[in-house]
Amino acid sequence: EDQVTQSPEALRLQEGESSSLNCSYTVSGLRGLFWYRQDPGKGPEFLFTLYSAGEEKEKERLKATLTKKESFLHITAPKPEDSATYLCAVQVGGKGKLIFGQGTELSVKP
Amino acid sequence: ETGVTQTPRHLVMGMTNKKSLKCEQHLGHNAMYWYKQSAKKPLELMFVYSLEERVENNSVPSRFSPECPNSSHLFLHLHTLQPEDSALYLCASSRSLAGGDEQYFGPGTRLTVT
Repeated sequence: EDQVTQSPEALRLQEGESSSLNCSYTVSGLRGLFWYRQDPGKGPEFLFTLYSAGEEKEKERLKATLTKKESFLHITAPKPEDSATYLCAVQVGGKGKLIFGQGTELSVKP
Repeated sequence: ETGVTQTPRHLVMGMTNKKSLKCEQHLGHNAMYWYKQSAKKPLELMFVYSLEERVENNSVPSRFSPECPNSSHLFLHLHTLQPEDSALYLCASSRSLAGGDEQYFGPGTRLTVT
């Protein structure tokens, strides 16, 4: 059964304290791994797509990496505005189907 | 308007009511999706449309009825809902169903069933 697990469920950081979020997946036929950011009361906002093991992508303080079994979202020197829930999703099959993890709720305190 | 829009943003309905959720995408995409997001649960895919044709129905109860009149508009018709159907309903669109095409989400409709 295709499965996506994110850890930790919640993470509290001080401003400037770098850390990583984990997304582990067990799927057959990965077609892409996606990271989204979701603020309270809003829809998910697209961040990155990763396609193959070894791939990395960066955007401001965020860097996403991919291995054959997991992906990491590294946050360097976070700021309070980085506080949000970060969602990981994998695409399987040919019908655009995304399987989401339960998310990591990040809180960055000044 | 830009991106993906959804109306209404909030909806309270009784179990015997009939209501509809509307989604519109302004991105020129060919695929549209409905997702359900319940508290403390991962997003669940409900329906997938490609070029107005339904290509996925993820074991959703018949009290949810989707409609896609054209590639820019998607509706979710609701009738005889249960309290457990209370959730955030999200619409998304993508360029196609091809592997790796990212999905862009609307702000969601917060539905409360009383």
